[in-house]
Amino acid sequence: DAKTTQPPSMDCAEGRAANLPCNHSTISGNEYVYWYRQIHSQGPQYIIHGLKNNETNEMASLIITEDRKSSTLILPHATLRDTAVYYCIVRVGLFNTGTASKLTFGTGTRLQVTL
Amino acid sequence: DSGVTQTPKHLITATGQRVTLRCSPRSGDLSVYWYQQSLDQGLQFLIQYYNGEERAKGNILERFSAQQFPDLHSELNLSSLELGDSALYFCASSVRSPPDTQYFGPGTRLTVL
Repeated sequence: DAKTTQPPSMDCAEGRAANLPCNHSTISGNEYVYWYRQIHSQGPQYIIHGLKNNETNEMASLIITEDRKSSTLILPHATLRDTAVYYCIVRVGLFNTGTASKLTFGTGTRLQVTL
Repeated sequence: DSGVTQTPKHLITATGQRVTLRCSPRSGDLSVYWYQQSLDQGLQFLIQYYNGEERAKGNILERFSAQQFPDLHSELNLSSLELGDSALYFCASSVRSPPDTQYFGPGTRLTVL
């Protein structure tokens, strides 16, 4: 799986958009970009994933650059409950045997949403 | 609520003991994954089962073992426990289809005294 680089921490004012960047310059053509978050010591929560195109769901938007070497997770109106560690993960999306199925978590970005 | 359940929520035991952690995947999910999160190691993949068969192994110690039963629930067995095994243990499940998104349970916090 491709390595990812994320800033260790970010702050965001409540009600503003939170833009979390991720670099994955060694991504392969069949690798998806996944975003998870972990609030305190709860189980990681799936947010969104994408391959090439930008994606949006009820939680967030994912913007992937044309060369796919970086992406940005956007929380459009951050609230205090969005305070968490956000993980950007790149992995092969097809069901495979072997360790390609695992998620490799880095250190993520600690997002602090403040009043 | 991801639909993945784990029991117990908390477990406190002594060194040298054996414990069993249980995971029930989301309805319809055939794959189960186990992850360990300790303070110094972050989230680490341990093992994956698909429809009862072991499919992938990560950094799982020989003292640890897992299995997936016909009803698809899974158990992670930890034996000869050491202080360093204290951690959060998460189970995740996914369906067998691209892109195989994993959904995590709430975890079991294991404390070894």
